Amino acid sequence: EAGVTQFPSHSVIEKGQTVTLRCDPISGHDNLYWYRRVMGKEIKFLLHFVKESKQDESGMPNNRFLAERTGGTYSTLKVQPAELEDSGVYFCASSQVSGRETQYFGPGTRLLVL
Amino acid sequence: EDKVVQSPLSLVVHEGDTVTLNCSYEVTNFRSLLWYKQEKKAPTFLFMLTSSGIEKKSGRLSSILDKKELSSILNITATQTGDSAIYLCAVEKGTGNQFYFGTGTSLTVIP
Repeated sequence: EAGVTQFPSHSVIEKGQTVTLRCDPISGHDNLYWYRRVMGKEIKFLLHFVKESKQDESGMPNNRFLAERTGGTYSTLKVQPAELEDSGVYFCASSQVSGRETQYFGPGTRLLVL
Repeated sequence: EDKVVQSPLSLVVHEGDTVTLNCSYEVTNFRSLLWYKQEKKAPTFLFMLTSSGIEKKSGRLSSILDKKELSSILNITATQTGDSAIYLCAVEKGTGNQFYFGTGTSLTVIP
């Protein structure tokens, strides 16, 4: 069974440009989460989809970030325009049910904004 | 194929017990191993281990890395109900800086 995949693995862009990250969850997982690791080792919650609906987007930093999950399958996270402080590793995770069930994490997309 | 395996998958203990969680990895070009505690939203960072044999401690939690055995353990002594969570292990590769997460150990501490 394929795990959570993310694309691209790396992205280097200039400040002001747009970047779109993609996450393909494990097939059949209704729950999809986006996280960000910025400085240090802490991972910050961004948002949580249940199927195509945003269940919780309280962690989205500002309106430059737009997440979508059309059709309830893969999800995209667009940053427009990108700022220097957006650099970091963006993780996606999925699970069958929400709550304390194990979330399966993808390998992350490393974003560097210059 | 790079992978991280955690055991056990779940654990139920009584308050006051000591638990040991295991993480083994097969990851080429190892850079570091990280432990996280996940309760509600984002995982909370616990430890980062890069050197073999050096124990890191934080209160009742401690962790050590064994690069020869390609594994790490997370110990929790005198467990409390607040320790109930999923404990995640992740390994960071040096090349590409990719992360490989285990599926976690679900710990439940009952009074």
